[in-house]
Amino acid sequence: GDSVTQMEGPVTLSEEAFLTINCTYTATGYPSLFWYVQYPGEGLQLLLKATKADDKGSNKGFEATYRKETTSFHLEKGSVQVSDSAVYFCALNWASKIIFGSGTRLSIRP
Amino acid sequence: KAGVTQTPRYLIKTRGQQVTLSCSPISGHRSVSWYQQTPGQGLQFLFEYFSETQRNKGNFPGRFSGRQFSNSRSEMNVSTLELGDSALYLCASSPGTSYEQYFGPGTRLTVT
Repeated sequence: GDSVTQMEGPVTLSEEAFLTINCTYTATGYPSLFWYVQYPGEGLQLLLKATKADDKGSNKGFEATYRKETTSFHLEKGSVQVSDSAVYFCALNWASKIIFGSGTRLSIRP
Repeated sequence: KAGVTQTPRYLIKTRGQQVTLSCSPISGHRSVSWYQQTPGQGLQFLFEYFSETQRNKGNFPGRFSGRQFSNSRSEMNVSTLELGDSALYLCASSPGTSYEQYFGPGTRLTVT
């Protein structure tokens, strides 16, 4: 069945470091892909999305490219800040079903 | 536009009781989904309603039920509460199921 696999956390980085959080998916069709972020004590917020192959989603310095050939949607940011500390979820939406990955906790050290 | 609201934000119940959680979606959104989030199991899909009809359902026992009203507001009910039902329950709304979801802040349920 359809699924989303993202890298295990927690991930701890120093401020201004480069960030990559890996996400791969399995889907029978052509899903839309999303990254959501959850800050402490809050619900999930949409960070970025891509609806077809080769689309790049971007927001707040984060980017992710929809790679159909590798079935991946890795999240990247060139220079992280302490305020980026949160849990990040990769998700796919296909055939009226939304599937979330297990989440990756990111902690940024000042 | 106002965001998704959930009430109550916090709830403490005793094992065996039942509970009803409420969700008001963003105005104009017709799809409402419910999720259970726990440290051990992560984010798990409960069910989705669209125009008062349950369209999708996750793998939860029949103790978990929901409904949606004509104004798109939704309620989720859990009967015969168990300790393992302690979790953050998130509601999300969307214009339709092909779109991104907008989440509420959640209801933190503690079962003692």
